[in-house]
Amino acid sequence: EPEVTQTPSHQVTQMGQEVILRCVPISNHLYFYWYRQILGQKVEFLVSFYNNEISEKSEIFDDQFSVERPDGSNFTLKIRSTKLEDSAMYFCASSEAGLAGGSYTGELFFGEGSRLTVL
Amino acid sequence: QQQVKQSPQSLIVQKGGIPIINCAYENTAFDYFPWYQQFPGKGPALLIAIRPDVSEKKEGRFTISFNKSAKQFSLHIMDSQPGDSATYFCAASEDQGAQKLVFGQGTRLTINP
Repeated sequence: EPEVTQTPSHQVTQMGQEVILRCVPISNHLYFYWYRQILGQKVEFLVSFYNNEISEKSEIFDDQFSVERPDGSNFTLKIRSTKLEDSAMYFCASSEAGLAGGSYTGELFFGEGSRLTVL
Repeated sequence: QQQVKQSPQSLIVQKGGIPIINCAYENTAFDYFPWYQQFPGKGPALLIAIRPDVSEKKEGRFTISFNKSAKQFSLHIMDSQPGDSATYFCAASEDQGAQKLVFGQGTRLTINP
């Protein structure tokens, strides 16, 4: 069964360092997402990416964050200068299609997550 | 306005019982309401989803009940099994291209044998 894969599974970094989290979405999917989950809290939307550009981003996704699809298979999240409060599980997700028009075709598939610990 | 409120935070049910998890929302533009199941160390996985043009949707042992006027929806698990023990999240999003899901706080469900 196709799945979303994420690397690394766990990364520990010092405050102020740059971090890149990597994701390989399901191959025929067109929409890509990053969500995060602070320990014990709800899952929060960060950003969606479609047609090689950001389609929507949340207030959390400030100038310290960026996303990129450097080739045909990878989708990355970069945090330029990490803060303590960036410690969380980061989930990549992808969907084949969106929800527009009321058609239920856009099931979101999540990866297993990358745990980021900022010290 | 963008919040989805979920209750209870945790729930313990005996095997065979029917756990019920409730969610409420304010944003009337929400048009898609999925439930996700998350096991420890795994990402959320879609369980079942509903749109507000129907009041109930059933898939296997899982049922969503939807009350548009009250802006509430709930998940029922029939004949619950220990393997259903997980964290369940309700979510909502507007009917648009990308899925900017707003998640509830989650319910940690334990099914005792």
